[in-house]
Amino acid sequence: GAVVSQHPSRVICKSGTSVKIECRSLDFQATTMFWYRQFPKKSLMLMATSNEGSKATYEQGVEKDKFLINHASLTLSTLTVTSAHPEDSSFYICSAQRETQYFGPGTRLLVL
Amino acid sequence: QKEVEQNSGPLSVPEGAIASLNCTYSDRGSQSFFWYRQYSGKSPELIMFIYSNGDKEDGRFTAQLNKASQYVSLLIRDSQPSDSATYLCAVPNSGGSNYKLTFGKGTLLTVNP
Repeated sequence: GAVVSQHPSRVICKSGTSVKIECRSLDFQATTMFWYRQFPKKSLMLMATSNEGSKATYEQGVEKDKFLINHASLTLSTLTVTSAHPEDSSFYICSAQRETQYFGPGTRLLVL
Repeated sequence: QKEVEQNSGPLSVPEGAIASLNCTYSDRGSQSFFWYRQYSGKSPELIMFIYSNGDKEDGRFTAQLNKASQYVSLLIRDSQPSDSATYLCAVPNSGGSNYKLTFGKGTLLTVNP
């Protein structure tokens, strides 16, 4: 149990475009999901906490207008990177809360 | 500021040896503790959790918790090359309901064949 999926696993996009990443809890309902990003050989960095039916809570320094989070159901949260730029290229990982956080496999974003 | 400290390593052990990974935490109110494994280029995977003082065993893994010393460790017996990964200690924020985890920076373990 506690399977979390992410889609897509990899995405390449042009600078200035928007990219949507989906995070699904497949076998449990998650009121709370989290979005992280990780640069190569660096620690996980929490971007925001996503709560079903309410606005996401962003960590300090994370632009809420750039990283749009929607948690419309108990099994789905989405992260949209708007007007992506090369510096947004990173590994984006979601997690879903049950007795602890269970992580999705991650989405590798490359912005050209 | 809640802190979770880990030796970043790298920790290198020969195949078949016991690998010992350590973690200390600052928040005395912490009640539960989690170990995640992260292979290079992959996302973290939960491998152990412990709530009570003492030892908890699961296969080749043993988690040890000492709340008085604010110390939690992970022992890996009969280490295998496939255990080579970064091990993250994680502690939930105590109180409140935001479920955030504070992660240590992780210990890179290399098991040499």
